[in-house]
Amino acid sequence: DADVTQTPRNRITKTGKRIMLECSQTKGHDRMYWYRQDPGLGLRLIYYSFDVKDINKGEISDGYSVSRQAQAKFSLSLESAIPNQTALYFCATSDLSWGTETQYFGPGTRLLVL
Amino acid sequence: AQKVTQAQTEISVVEKEDVTLDCVYETRDTTYYLFWYKQPPSGELVFLIRRNSFDEQNEISGRYSWNFQKSTSSFNFTITASQVVDSAVYFCALSAEYGNKLVFGAGTILRVKS
Repeated sequence: DADVTQTPRNRITKTGKRIMLECSQTKGHDRMYWYRQDPGLGLRLIYYSFDVKDINKGEISDGYSVSRQAQAKFSLSLESAIPNQTALYFCATSDLSWGTETQYFGPGTRLLVL
Repeated sequence: AQKVTQAQTEISVVEKEDVTLDCVYETRDTTYYLFWYKQPPSGELVFLIRRNSFDEQNEISGRYSWNFQKSTSSFNFTITASQVVDSAVYFCALSAEYGNKLVFGAGTILRVKS
């Protein structure tokens, strides 16, 4: 089984709808992240969480919210989806050790907002 | 501010050719970490390597090798005797010591033709 899973893997929605993307991990890591990938822009950080009680905004948090339900679960919500939120979304996890960390990514969720 | 530049948007080579993917970074930190990730056509992000700023030894892993040069702020990735399965998008990324954010380059699309 994959260490980091994302559901759904693909989603089509309409402008104005609320949707939730979910991420689960079995790696036992404390830190979790949400990124979006757009062609030619690489990955950009939306939100991150260092533990269940910790939520931080990333580079592009406007229009998004998150919930850390448990150490293993981190959800991303689009309260009112808009077409420019069409992108590939990645969840990642990491565990700080020796002053740094390596982030491991889920398989991604392709979101299309019509 | 941290920045990663991958100037090569797309590279096409014929199988068995060697290919080098360039990565130039900017940071004011004295301690930092550099990463390479591979994104095959299936879409997932695969961690390839992490390099600490205080370790300038080059690294080789099979057909993959990495050349880290602090003097030119570069962390280049070479694939020797490329194969069709190497076709993917490759991302270079940077994080600070105790940092929580990965800053990604825009990625380089590598196409290996048989």
